[in-house]
Amino acid sequence: QKEVEQDPGPLSVPEGAIVSLNCTYSNSAFQYFMWYRQYSRKGPELLMYTYSSGNKEDGRFTAQVDKSSKYISLFIRDSQPSDSATYLCAFFGSSNTGKLIFGQGTTLQVKP
Amino acid sequence: EPEVTQTPSHQVTQMGQEVILRCVPISNHLYFYWYRQILGQKVEFLVSFYNNEISEKSEIFDDQFSVERPDGSNFTLKIRSTKLEDSAMYFCASSEALPGWGRAFFGQGTRLTVV
Repeated sequence: QKEVEQDPGPLSVPEGAIVSLNCTYSNSAFQYFMWYRQYSRKGPELLMYTYSSGNKEDGRFTAQVDKSSKYISLFIRDSQPSDSATYLCAFFGSSNTGKLIFGQGTTLQVKP
Repeated sequence: EPEVTQTPSHQVTQMGQEVILRCVPISNHLYFYWYRQILGQKVEFLVSFYNNEISEKSEIFDDQFSVERPDGSNFTLKIRSTKLEDSAMYFCASSEALPGWGRAFFGQGTRLTVV
């Protein structure tokens, strides 16, 4: 079983749509859950991070964590063409050295 | 906003040559990392560095790789004898605290092409 599973997509939606991106994980030691956005040939940029089950909202973005199901989601409301990027889930907590474990990334295209 | 800077943005090297990838982390950060992303694949951890020593390294980070913080501001990744399979984007990252407590900022990456 893979430590992190993330559907690579691509996912194509019209502008204004609600987008749902998901990851599942198998390592119970993961304590912190993050979403990064990566534009083509650029470095990952942290969007959201949470450490507990439940929801965290920041503007148009909502991160959701369900530890019992080992499942995390990122919702994007009122999606914009500028949201077109690859979204990476990332996990921390199985070591105390700062190592992040990334999902494969989901490529999102928002069409005007 | 503070940023991690990496140079060069693109490096082409011949197989067997040594390369040094350079990074300037954010000035008050204490934890430093290198990650690698082969085209079309996920971002993979290579090494973490804290208090002037490696705190963890992955299986990828074999004897051909080394890291150094030579002068208190730069953080370098050296690959002694490059292989074709070392071709990838290499990202440097830094954080003030462990990522659970603080943001890990990533640089824009160095694209390494081994020919």
